[in-house]
Amino acid sequence: AQSVAQPEDQVNVAEGNPLTVKCTYSVSGNPYLFWYVQYPNRGLQFLLKYITGDNLVKGSYGFEAEFNKSQTSFHLKKPSALVSDSALYFCAVRDVSNDYKLSFGAGTTVTVRA
Amino acid sequence: SAVISQKPSRDICQRGTSLTIQCQVDSQVTMMFWYRQQPGQSLTLIATANQGSEATYESGFVIDKFPISRPNLTFSTLTVSNMSPEDSSIYLCSGRSGYEQYFGPGTRLTVT
Repeated sequence: AQSVAQPEDQVNVAEGNPLTVKCTYSVSGNPYLFWYVQYPNRGLQFLLKYITGDNLVKGSYGFEAEFNKSQTSFHLKKPSALVSDSALYFCAVRDVSNDYKLSFGAGTTVTVRA
Repeated sequence: SAVISQKPSRDICQRGTSLTIQCQVDSQVTMMFWYRQQPGQSLTLIATANQGSEATYESGFVIDKFPISRPNLTFSTLTVSNMSPEDSSIYLCSGRSGYEQYFGPGTRLTVT
């Protein structure tokens, strides 16, 4: 069975500081990994994905994520956070052994203070 | 990328009634899904909407309670039947194209 863990319910950072949102996964085969962001009263917006290739993936709004196979992690990062990055972030994994369905983490609420 | 719209965006319904949510995708997608989300919490997959055939439901969800249709590649409906307050939630439509999966803005349902 596949699963995703986001160990932090909340992350608080000051504007201009680096932002990291952690994600670890468990799958039986090769993982397809995704990050989504959800702003209040909005649907999920796709940020980035890892399918294969370079371990460092660049996505929308200046976000990037690093795939680490040995640590089974896919942490989301942004070098300099903005107040407008305050939102709910979801990590998700898709695994061929589960009919390619997306499994979501519990979500991490990011608050960036001015 | 695909843009997904849902109608209605929100509704307040009385227990025992039914609500049908519509989902429209602006381009063809290979797969469509329906999720449920409590505000501020994670997403739970209800079912995969199959074109021209019965939807595939996840454990804990049944067709009598959540009938789903998908008459073509860009449109699907989810009905929440015989509603109770426990059905109060956000219902999200999703479409997959290639490796990427897109989500609608959600329908916020409150059952009184």
